[in-house]
Amino acid sequence: GESVGLHLPTLSVQEGDNSIINCAYSNSASDYFIWYKQESGKGPQFIIDIRSNMDKRQGQRVTVLLNKTVKHLSLQIAATQPGDSAVYFCAESSNTGKLIFGQGTTLQVKP
Amino acid sequence: SAVISQKPSRDICQRGTSLTIQCQVDSQVTMMFWYRQQPGQSLTLIATANQGSEATYESGFVIDKFPISRPNLTFSTLTVSNLSPEDSSIYLCSVVLGTATYEQYFGPGTRLTVT
Repeated sequence: GESVGLHLPTLSVQEGDNSIINCAYSNSASDYFIWYKQESGKGPQFIIDIRSNMDKRQGQRVTVLLNKTVKHLSLQIAATQPGDSAVYFCAESSNTGKLIFGQGTTLQVKP
Repeated sequence: SAVISQKPSRDICQRGTSLTIQCQVDSQVTMMFWYRQQPGQSLTLIATANQGSEATYESGFVIDKFPISRPNLTFSTLTVSNLSPEDSSIYLCSVVLGTATYEQYFGPGTRLTVT
């Protein structure tokens, strides 16, 4: 079946360093991808999205890269801050609005 | 984005009872969805809440267990029926605001514990 998975369940980085969170997806028909941040006790917060006709999109301190050849998605966070500590989810969709979520990666930022 | 609220924020229910969760959005939205997030896990789509008609359920979820209403473009309810401890989860509603984008925003969630 379809699946979206993450390579690492936990990522620990030093404050100020860059973070890279990876995600693999299996449905080649997916054409829309979103990264979410979920803090404890809260709902997922939209970070950034990308359509399949792009391979890179930048936001404030975040960049999403899409490699359709190998069905890989990554989220890069520049100058990671303690407030970035959370669980990060990738999600995919194929023009239906319905999202399939990956497992989630916990980002821990060390001061 | 939109302001999405859910009620209740948390509840503790006895097995065999039901809980109805409300989702209210501060603007009209095109799509509304309900997800479940079991403890320590990712999100799984339960159903698409269709305005004025029956919800569309994903595999493994049925209307008798998870009846959904969406009477208008800003409000939806999810009922979790005949509760068992396995239903202990966070239940989240999400919305897609327009037709030109699939950006999807989530409510704060309802944490359900079944004893």
